[in-house]
Amino acid sequence: GQNIDQPTEMTATEGAIVQINCTYQTSGFNGLFWYQQHAGEAPTFLSYNVLDGLEEKGRFSSFLSRSKGYSYLLLKELQMKDSASYLCAVRDTGGFKTIFGAGTRLFVKA
Amino acid sequence: DAGVIQSPRHEVTEMGQEVTLRCKPISGHNSLFWYRQTMMRGLELLIYFNNNVPIDDSGMPEDRFSAKMPNASFSTLKIQPSEPRDSAVYFCASSPGTGNQPQHFGDGTRLSIL
Repeated sequence: GQNIDQPTEMTATEGAIVQINCTYQTSGFNGLFWYQQHAGEAPTFLSYNVLDGLEEKGRFSSFLSRSKGYSYLLLKELQMKDSASYLCAVRDTGGFKTIFGAGTRLFVKA
Repeated sequence: DAGVIQSPRHEVTEMGQEVTLRCKPISGHNSLFWYRQTMMRGLELLIYFNNNVPIDDSGMPEDRFSAKMPNASFSTLKIQPSEPRDSAVYFCASSPGTGNQPQHFGDGTRLSIL
């Protein structure tokens, strides 16, 4: 079966660092994506991992361990505008089908 | 550059009516995806196309749902007849089709069936 687990909600303080975890159990694996979705808007792409390790992109980093079926998104120097849902998504092998997790709602407080 | 364009942005209609949602993918993208998003079920893949051909429609909930992609620049998702439980945000997304390329989402259609 296909299963992607993320915490439902997290709260963090402006200027701090937050780590959003994602575990997955899927029949195939051809990469893991993180998307950001502000309320009432469409998801937008943040990061992509296909090999184990850390990918850094400015304030955002994403880590992948394929053997553990685990990823995290790290957000540094949090800003109020980072309040949003963060979706973990796994692409299946052999095609382009992508399964999305339910998302983690992040609240950034002053 | 124009992104994925969906229409209408909002639709309110009575149950039993036919609903047609439209999507124009980004030019040059050869994969197109239709998703439904609700609070209860999150973002669900309904169907996706590659080079205008439906590849996987296992997410289409019932025969009331159908999707077409007559050419590379246009796709429709149709619900007939519509029911209140179909109320959701429907997103269309496209991607270039290579493994490491993300999907680009349209702004979505907010559908309310009364």
